[in-house]
Amino acid sequence: GEDVEQSLFLSVREGDSSVINCTYTDSSSTYLYWYKQEPGAGLQLLTYIFSNMDMKQDQRLTVLLNKKDKHLSLRIADTQTGDSAIYFCAGLKSILTGGGNKLTFGTGTQLKVEL
Amino acid sequence: KAGVTQTPRYLIKTRGQQVTLSCSPISGHRSVSWYQQTPGQGLQFLFEYFSETQRNKGNFPGRFSGRQFSNSRSEMNVSTLELGDSALYLCASSLFGSESQPQHFGDGTRLSIL
Repeated sequence: GEDVEQSLFLSVREGDSSVINCTYTDSSSTYLYWYKQEPGAGLQLLTYIFSNMDMKQDQRLTVLLNKKDKHLSLRIADTQTGDSAIYFCAGLKSILTGGGNKLTFGTGTQLKVEL
Repeated sequence: KAGVTQTPRYLIKTRGQQVTLSCSPISGHRSVSWYQQTPGQGLQFLFEYFSETQRNKGNFPGRFSGRQFSNSRSEMNVSTLELGDSALYLCASSLFGSESQPQHFGDGTRLSIL
């Protein structure tokens, strides 16, 4: 199966750290992505990690990957009101029959940042 | 460098009509993928095009089709529209559609069926 689960909501105070979690059943994705979606907009690529890595840091963003537990997380340091959005994890998987790839998305986590 | 451009941004149609959505990828990108986003089903893969050829198709009925032109621009078409086709349709592009190349998304076309 290709289920990717995320918690629906997360509320944090401005300046705190946010941790958004993602669990998946299919471990064949070679790259795992985090996208951000603001109201009325498309998906903005935030960061991604290769599946043989455990951690990747990119400014305020830290991605942790635990392949054994099939768990991916995104930590946002010093969360700001502008970080309020829906966050999607996604796995990029090769499609052997046709070539190319497709993204399988999680259900999305609504992050609300309060003053 | 311009991002992925989707037109139109909004569309209102009635049941039974057909619709064509357009996507211009980032300059130099040759792979274009389409996704449907609905509150109930989330983000689902429709199809992917590379070099004017459909490489992959998701689990959608034949009413959903697409094509890609020699300049890598892509269109998707939905015929005999149903109420359930109301959704945000997102287009994404990448260089060659390989695993190491992230997909970059446009702002989508919001389709409403009355």
